[in-house]
Amino acid sequence: EIVLTQSPATLSLSPGERATLSCRASQSVSSYLAWYQQKPGQAPRLLIYDASNRATGIPARFSGSGSGTDFTLTISSLEPEDFAVYYCQQGLRVTFGQGTKVEIK
Amino acid sequence: QLQLQESGPGLVKPSETLSLTCTVSGGSISSSSYYWGWIRQPPGKGLEWIGSIYYSGSTYYNPSLKSRVTISVDTSKNQFSLKLSSVTAADTAVYYCARSGATIFGVVIIPNWFDPWGQGTLVTVSS
Repeated sequence: EIVLTQSPATLSLSPGERATLSCRASQSVSSYLAWYQQKPGQAPRLLIYDASNRATGIPARFSGSGSGTDFTLTISSLEPEDFAVYYCQQGLRVTFGQGTKVEIK
Repeated sequence: QLQLQESGPGLVKPSETLSLTCTVSGGSISSSSYYWGWIRQPPGKGLEWIGSIYYSGSTYYNPSLKSRVTISVDTSKNQFSLKLSSVTAADTAVYYCARSGATIFGVVIIPNWFDPWGQGTLVTVSS
């Protein structure tokens, strides 16, 4: 099983700040890496697929990078609606990371 | 706009079989570009992939659940279904269905990212 480790577990930031979330795979997943945002009581929403492609309707402040085992989700300037839990997911043999909570500082 | 909707019992007794159906509207489940998947989330915890099915019936399952899971597809009804046998309290979760991108990997087609998702349905295992 490919294990995805997300860090940090919690990120405390203020609106307007830059958020950098990390996802590390236990073995190479090439570029088969996706990122999701989940708010309380809602289903996850796809943000990024294939490591760096924004899904339809996702604002440009969200960007993804990386390949192989190390990936990053960057939110360039946090909006109030961006405070949520973020999950990474690899697509070779599907597994999810444990999540990073982005909370208001 | 593609929409997915889960349906099924919200309460299942221990040792019995959990059965859910996902109805797809606004698009065809027979598209060769997608898999269709089930993901669950125990209360207050993270996401766990259960399995995915292609319109042809080809399936991929989470190895940790494989012995108890069956996913099937009914293209005539534009639905796919999940059966999870011998449930315990540990299977209590919100169950989501979702469309999954189909990616060519070598000589096989595998499920990749998930979008969109259904709203989810809470299934509680309790006597």
